[in-house]
Amino acid sequence: DIQMTQSPSSLSASLGDRVTITCRASQTISNYLNWYQQIPGKAPKLLIHAASSLQSGVPSRFSGSGSGTDFTLTISSLQREDVAAYYCQQAYSVPYIFGQGTKLEIE
Amino acid sequence: QLQLQESGPGLVKPSETLSLTCTVSGDSFSSSTDWWDWIRQPPGKGLEWIGSIHDSGSTHYNPSLKSRLTISVDTSNNQYSLKLSSVTAADTAVYYCARRTRRDEKYHYYYMDVWGKGTTVTVSS
Repeated sequence: DIQMTQSPSSLSASLGDRVTITCRASQTISNYLNWYQQIPGKAPKLLIHAASSLQSGVPSRFSGSGSGTDFTLTISSLQREDVAAYYCQQAYSVPYIFGQGTKLEIE
Repeated sequence: QLQLQESGPGLVKPSETLSLTCTVSGDSFSSSTDWWDWIRQPPGKGLEWIGSIHDSGSTHYNPSLKSRLTISVDTSNNQYSLKLSSVTAADTAVYYCARRTRRDEKYHYYYMDVWGKGTTVTVSS
């Protein structure tokens, strides 16, 4: 199985801050990498697919980058509604493992 | 607009079989680009991909669950189902169904773009 490791596990930042979350795959996955946002008590929501393609309707402050084994999710200017857990997921091979998640809070 | 809705018992006894159904509405259930997935989330923990099925009947299972897992599809009723046998307390979780799709047949990248709201299943006697 391809393991996915996210860092940090939790993060506290101020409104307007630039926030970066990283995800590392245990072997190369090209750019078969998705990012999801999960607001507490809600189902996950797709943000980014293919490492850097913004899903329709997602605010442009979200962006993704990376290829191979190392990936990042960036929020350019943190908003209050961005408080959530964020998960990466490899879409390269079965099983489609998720990272352990990053919990983002407002300072 | 595509919608997914999970249904099934909220309480299952240890050693019994957990059975859930996902009903798909609002769009075509039969598309060559779509797979229909199950994902779960134990209380306070992260997401675990369980498995998926295509309307052709092809399946992919998480090897960690494969010996206990069956996913089936009923295209006439736009539903697909999950059966997990010999459950223990470790199977207690919120279970989600989701569509895994790609932009078009030339696009290689699959992603889960539509999710159900989730249903809580507790394994307890």
